[in-house]
Amino acid sequence: KQEVTQIPAALSVPEGENLVLNCSFTDSAIYNLQWFRQDPGKGLTSLLLIQSSQREQTSGRLNASLDKSSGRSTLYIAASQPGDSATYLCAAEETSGSRLTFGEGTQLTVNP
Amino acid sequence: GAGVSQTPSNKVTEKGKYVELRCDPISGHTALYWYRQSLGQGPEFLIYFQGTGAADDSGLPNDRFFAVRPEGSVSTLKIQRTERGDSAVYLCASSLSAGVYNEQFFGPGTRLTVL
Repeated sequence: KQEVTQIPAALSVPEGENLVLNCSFTDSAIYNLQWFRQDPGKGLTSLLLIQSSQREQTSGRLNASLDKSSGRSTLYIAASQPGDSATYLCAAEETSGSRLTFGEGTQLTVNP
Repeated sequence: GAGVSQTPSNKVTEKGKYVELRCDPISGHTALYWYRQSLGQGPEFLIYFQGTGAADDSGLPNDRFFAVRPEGSVSTLKIQRTERGDSAVYLCASSLSAGVYNEQFFGPGTRLTVL
């Protein structure tokens, strides 16, 4: 059974810092790895999707990497802003089905 | 409105009652997913549809939970004899198709509270 873990559970940084969020998964048989953002009381916003054949994806200040062999993905946020404050979730889509298995998220606070 | 929509946004019910939660996927998306998110946790998979049929319902916790998608578009999640432990946010997602490299897009969720 796939298990996804995110470290740290919470992170507080001053504005302008670059930061890295970590995601690990136990079963490397995945189609893709997807990163989401969730604001309090809201649904999930898709940030980046990395296909299993890819090593990284970039969107603006965000860069996500994937290392299937080690079961790890990272989300890099450059020049963080207070508006980046949210919970970030990673999810793995397994080759055995289309379900996403989520981690518990990292709650990020960027202080002005 | 091009995104996934869910109604109601909030539902408060009493233990033992029946509830229905509705999801409208993005137009043209053939795959539809239901997840449940408890406070402080990541979403957990319940069921997904490819077209009208349930392709994987292995995440449904018990037989009180049932979901339909009769015309391959709108889906309804039905919960019978609700229990306090059913309280959670129910999230719906859709994608172009199930399978390889499908990006799932989520709705805002329905917050269910069972008193």
